[in-house]
Amino acid sequence: KNEVEQSPQNLTAQEGEFITINCSYSVGISALHWLQQHPGGGIVSLFMLSSGKKKHGRLIATINIQEKHSSLHITASHPRDSAVYICAGIQGAQKLVFGQGTRLTINP
Amino acid sequence: DARVTQTPRHKVTEMGQEVTMRCQPILGHNTVFWYRQTMMQGLELLAYFRNRAPLDDSGMPKDRFSAEMPDATLATLKIQPSEPRDSAVYFCASGLVVGGKPGELFFGEGSRLTVL
Repeated sequence: KNEVEQSPQNLTAQEGEFITINCSYSVGISALHWLQQHPGGGIVSLFMLSSGKKKHGRLIATINIQEKHSSLHITASHPRDSAVYICAGIQGAQKLVFGQGTRLTINP
Repeated sequence: DARVTQTPRHKVTEMGQEVTMRCQPILGHNTVFWYRQTMMQGLELLAYFRNRAPLDDSGMPKDRFSAEMPDATLATLKIQPSEPRDSAVYFCASGLVVGGKPGELFFGEGSRLTVL
């Protein structure tokens, strides 16, 4: 069983829809990153969070420590949000354990 | 604008050749990571350094891979000899860990390696 599990693996939606990507993780992970990777592109850390909720523009990330679960939400989705979103758990001081990624496609 | 710089961006080589990838972390960051990304395996940690000392290289095939930080501004990942199965995108990332607590992580653009 992977230490970080993401769902769904693939998600296709229409522009404007509200998007949710889920991440469950195992014991030993103290915090996590949500990463974004555009096709053929580099990786950007959208959020690092260990508790509560963070918001940046149309992106919101939440984490529930007790349930070992995190979600990434995108409001008013746009085709430029199409990318792979990766949940990465932090073990110790910054060693990352990666989820399989969610490929998001937003159609105009 | 501070960023992690990786070279080369693309490398095509023949099996058996030596490959060296370089990374310049963000100035002031004390932790540097090397990751490999393939379609089959996704992202995998190869090695990482704290204050230039290797902390974990368990993800790296020891017989052919080596990672070093000759100084605070340069991390290298070397493959010798290279094999077709090493074809992947190699990412370097750097961050600042203070008091054992992780900070933001910044990735380079990656080095796409193709071994023929």
